[in-house]
Amino acid sequence: DGGITQSPKYLFRKEGQNVTLSCEQNLNHDAMYWYRQDPGQGLRLIYYSQIVNDFQKGDIAEGYSVSREKKESFPLTVTSAQKNPTAFYLCASSGIAGGDIQYFGAGTRLSVL
Amino acid sequence: QKEVEQNSGPLSVPEGAIASLNCTYSDRGSQSFFWYRQYSGKSPELIMFIYSNGDKEDGRFTAQLNKASQYVSLLIRDSQPSDSATYLCAVHGSSNTGKLIFGQGTTLQVKP
Repeated sequence: DGGITQSPKYLFRKEGQNVTLSCEQNLNHDAMYWYRQDPGQGLRLIYYSQIVNDFQKGDIAEGYSVSREKKESFPLTVTSAQKNPTAFYLCASSGIAGGDIQYFGAGTRLSVL
Repeated sequence: QKEVEQNSGPLSVPEGAIASLNCTYSDRGSQSFFWYRQYSGKSPELIMFIYSNGDKEDGRFTAQLNKASQYVSLLIRDSQPSDSATYLCAVHGSSNTGKLIFGQGTTLQVKP
């Protein structure tokens, strides 16, 4: 089954804790993206990567970090510096970074305990 | 001015009617335009994309693009209750980064 797998589906963060959201794709896509969605809002770009071992900040990167050590994987860490992390996090990938269609994983819903 | 603007709605139409959703964008150099459908609590799924001026039809869905006026629209014919969802307009800007700019979405309600 080709697609984008995000895990876990639900995640709870304690005060001062870093948490990592997983995103794996088997579509052989070069580019991967992380978005944040708040209730009633559109998607805001956190980080994106067009190639292995390279990534760029999006519009709301503060308090987040990523790595891209493998083409298939693009994990997102929500650090303790992110003071309002409660949101729906979406990972996407696309075949060609310059304009190809982005496909989304099922998302991770993060809440603060 | 937001880069991609949509009326948040809700847009309410009776079953069987045509639903018309609109989106305007600010980057005149934008090349690619996408409509995603998002059911409550789920992730967005692509339903249409359009690159050239004019209309593109796929089943009950028609995407319309007017680059001179910087708007893109989505028409849904014979609307069904299952079409009730939030529709996100996304625009690929003129920079070659792959970044999509999303509107806030329009909520569509199709009433039986």
